[in-house]
Amino acid sequence: AQKVTQAQTEISVVEKEDVTLDCVYETRDTTYYLFWYKQPPSGELVFLIRRNSFDEQNEISGRYSWNFQKSTSSFNFTITASQVVDSAVYFCALSGINFGNEKLTFGTGTRLTIIP
Amino acid sequence: ETGVTQTPRHLVMGMTNKKSLKCEQHLGHNAMYWYKQSAKKPLELMFVYNFKEQTENNSVPSRFSPECPNSSHLFLHLHTLQPEDSALYLCASSQDALADPYEQYFGPGTRLTVT
Repeated sequence: AQKVTQAQTEISVVEKEDVTLDCVYETRDTTYYLFWYKQPPSGELVFLIRRNSFDEQNEISGRYSWNFQKSTSSFNFTITASQVVDSAVYFCALSGINFGNEKLTFGTGTRLTIIP
Repeated sequence: ETGVTQTPRHLVMGMTNKKSLKCEQHLGHNAMYWYKQSAKKPLELMFVYNFKEQTENNSVPSRFSPECPNSSHLFLHLHTLQPEDSALYLCASSQDALADPYEQYFGPGTRLTVT
């Protein structure tokens, strides 16, 4: 069975601070995908990143960076120089390679509030 | 209209009512999905349609009935719901549920309250 744990239910930081959202996963698959989605107040989930389990290189996209560590089964997400527009609920998710059998498993989300 | 749209955005219904949720995608995708988002629970996949064929039914009660008349439209028909069915229902689409299901584009959701 697959499981995604986002232990931080809510985080608040002051604007311009850096913040890291934690994600820990469990899977028996040797090959899998990890994702982060952002859900702003408007409701729709916005795809941020997909990471293949073969690729442990960290990724940076502007102010966003992701740290994938297979040894600790973690896929953490860092926002540097946070902005008010970053306020949202962020979901980490996991999927096996065969989507028909291994559906996308989401964590419970972390509500991030950026204080102006 | 662009992206994925859902109507209505909010719905309040009694347990004996029948209503339908509508989702439309303008992305040229071939796969569509229904998710349920309850407070403090992980997002739950309900149904998957790929090229208008249902490929996944995640043990959803029969009071939820999906319909996919074409690749651009997806409905969720609701009848005799329970209060615990109150949630945000999200629709998503992707290019192909089998070849590349992962980059899904989500609609804004329908906030459903069952009284």
